[in-house]
Amino acid sequence: QSALTQPRSVSGSPGQSVTISCTGTSSDIGAYNYVSWYQQHPGTAPKLMIYDVNKRPSGVPDRFSASKSGNTASLTISGLQAEDEADYYCYSYAHNCVVFGGGTTLTVL
Amino acid sequence: QVQLVESGGGVVQPGGSLRISCTASGFTVTNSGMHWVRQAPGKGLEWVSFISYDGGNQEYYADSVKGRFTISKDRSKNALYLQMNSLRPEDTAVYYCAKDRGNTWAGDYWGQGTLVTVSP
Repeated sequence: QSALTQPRSVSGSPGQSVTISCTGTSSDIGAYNYVSWYQQHPGTAPKLMIYDVNKRPSGVPDRFSASKSGNTASLTISGLQAEDEADYYCYSYAHNCVVFGGGTTLTVL
Repeated sequence: QVQLVESGGGVVQPGGSLRISCTASGFTVTNSGMHWVRQAPGKGLEWVSFISYDGGNQEYYADSVKGRFTISKDRSKNALYLQMNSLRPEDTAVYYCAKDRGNTWAGDYWGQGTLVTVSP
């Protein structure tokens, strides 16, 4: 159950786009389409932003999109806004367990 | 609307036990898969356990807690529990419960968390 690999931090200016990568293995991301992304602001509970690789729950802006290729998943946030500044975590099913990424801090400059 | 409220956290000595609860409203826990996820102070999220929604209530655990923690549901109280035994200092964390978004292994509703501190 090794953690998925995410960059520690990314940044972008308002209106720009940023992409956060999440690298796993052929036993997790590469094997299943149960990849999710969570947003967490300081002191609050995580919020589901993407599930099943690229589906958005209702209420999540379409500025948030995601994809998967091989063992790597990606989250793209376009039209960056100040409120997007938060920690982002990827998450994948991995045969009877789940693994999280280490988290990426997004800074909106 | 869906709401989850965790309770039961506190300070416990290494080797001790604690049961934390997650009371649900707006849906029936026995009809939903449910997760426990924890977050050590200043650290990232770590999945702990999942209990399925089908009749079998199958349980799944992270290697780090297997054999020490037990997840369960109570239909009459509409609650989810995590029984934690043989606690270690590294179990210190905020524990969140989350409702699974049906067959996705994704948590779509989360509680506010309860802090468990394992310290002498």
